[in-house]
Amino acid sequence: DQQVKQNSPSLSVQEGRISILNCDYTNSMFDYFLWYKKYPAEGPTFLISISSIKDKNEDGRFTVFLNKSAKHLSLHIVPSQPGDSAVYFCAASETGGFKTIFGAGTRLFVKA
Amino acid sequence: NAGVMQNPRHLVRRRGQEARLRCSPMKGHSHVYWYRQLPEEGLKFMVYLQKENIIDESGMPKERFSAEFPKEGPSILRIQQVVRGDSAAYFCASSPRAKSENSPLHFGNGTRLTVT
Repeated sequence: DQQVKQNSPSLSVQEGRISILNCDYTNSMFDYFLWYKKYPAEGPTFLISISSIKDKNEDGRFTVFLNKSAKHLSLHIVPSQPGDSAVYFCAASETGGFKTIFGAGTRLFVKA
Repeated sequence: NAGVMQNPRHLVRRRGQEARLRCSPMKGHSHVYWYRQLPEEGLKFMVYLQKENIIDESGMPKERFSAEFPKEGPSILRIQQVVRGDSAAYFCASSPRAKSENSPLHFGNGTRLTVT
């Protein structure tokens, strides 16, 4: 039962262009959403989050958009840099719950 | 470095042996989570612990797996009688507050378990 889905296993983008990573969820109780970035042989590191009371949150080159009616969120990276090449995990949780549920990840390649 | 510390980084066990994975949370964090990542898959929740208490173990296999977080010392994930299917990366995460209050998890670099 995949409650958080990232349907694109990989994405390739040219340096300087926008990267858009997508995520869908099925559990309407989720009210907190996060993106993590993971390099090989390292643990995931927190990137950006959004609460369900918002539809957008921005932090430098990273912006997360939330569409609650569609149960969809996306991460925009602009401009993309080669150092952004990593696996990006979408995650979700609900207030009062103990688990953070992760998607399968999207591998981003940023070409110089 | 006051981050989440996991050891060992790599662990090789033969089928039937026991594996013990250790996790020291970030300083000041009293909530620990264990996740497993199978090859080409996402992170799967296993267990959530506070000091001396297991709060949610709904992701733990019913047999052979156990976890503890004693009053003193690191959290331990123990896998008895390992099988090849246990081969995975095991990540520990910690947070300063219960997940009921929204906050991101801080992950360690994981233990990669290989069962031969």
